[in-house]
Amino acid sequence: EDKVVQSPLSLVVHEGDTVTLNCSYEVTNFRSLLWYKQEKKAPTFLFMLTSSGIEKKSGRLSSILDKKELFSILNITATQTGDSAIYLCAVEASSGGGADGLTFGKGTHLIIQP
Amino acid sequence: DTAVSQTPKYLVTQMGNDKSIKCEQNLGHDTMYWYKQDSKKFLKIMFSYNNKELIINETVPNRFSPKSPDKAHLNLHINSLELGDSAVYFCASSKIFAWAHKYEQYFGPGTRLTVT
Repeated sequence: EDKVVQSPLSLVVHEGDTVTLNCSYEVTNFRSLLWYKQEKKAPTFLFMLTSSGIEKKSGRLSSILDKKELFSILNITATQTGDSAIYLCAVEASSGGGADGLTFGKGTHLIIQP
Repeated sequence: DTAVSQTPKYLVTQMGNDKSIKCEQNLGHDTMYWYKQDSKKFLKIMFSYNNKELIINETVPNRFSPKSPDKAHLNLHINSLELGDSAVYFCASSKIFAWAHKYEQYFGPGTRLTVT
């Protein structure tokens, strides 16, 4: 069974700190790893990673994938209170028969204190 | 110009009733999904539909049935609602860009179902 494990499950830091969120996975026929941010409503897409070692960057957020060690990290620098959310890691695996849904981790609940 | 929309946003109903949640996407995606998010915020896939064909059914009770009138819509019908069905249900859609080995999936705003 495909598995996605995120750590830590919750994290409380002060504004301005840098945080690193972890995601490890065990899937058959890996296709891609995705990061989402969920505040009060639907998850919003952050990054999709398919290749090892290539950093994706968007403002203060960046993410990298290690396909050999089967993990990804999401970094947030100079955190702001608006970064407080649940960060979800999901993995897409190919069954060979077409599109599959995503397997999600339990998420990291990040709280940024002013 | 919402990409993935769901209606209703909130649904409160009694045990035993039958209800439907609608989902529409205007992204031109070819696959649509339903996810259930439980009280601990854990997201789990329920169904996916690709070209009107059910691809996944993750041990979901047969009281739940997805119906797709066309590629842009995937509605979720639930019969004989139970207390344990209370959750937030998210619709999503995706497209595979096989030539670029690229995949994107976007979520609707969610429907909070409360069964009393």
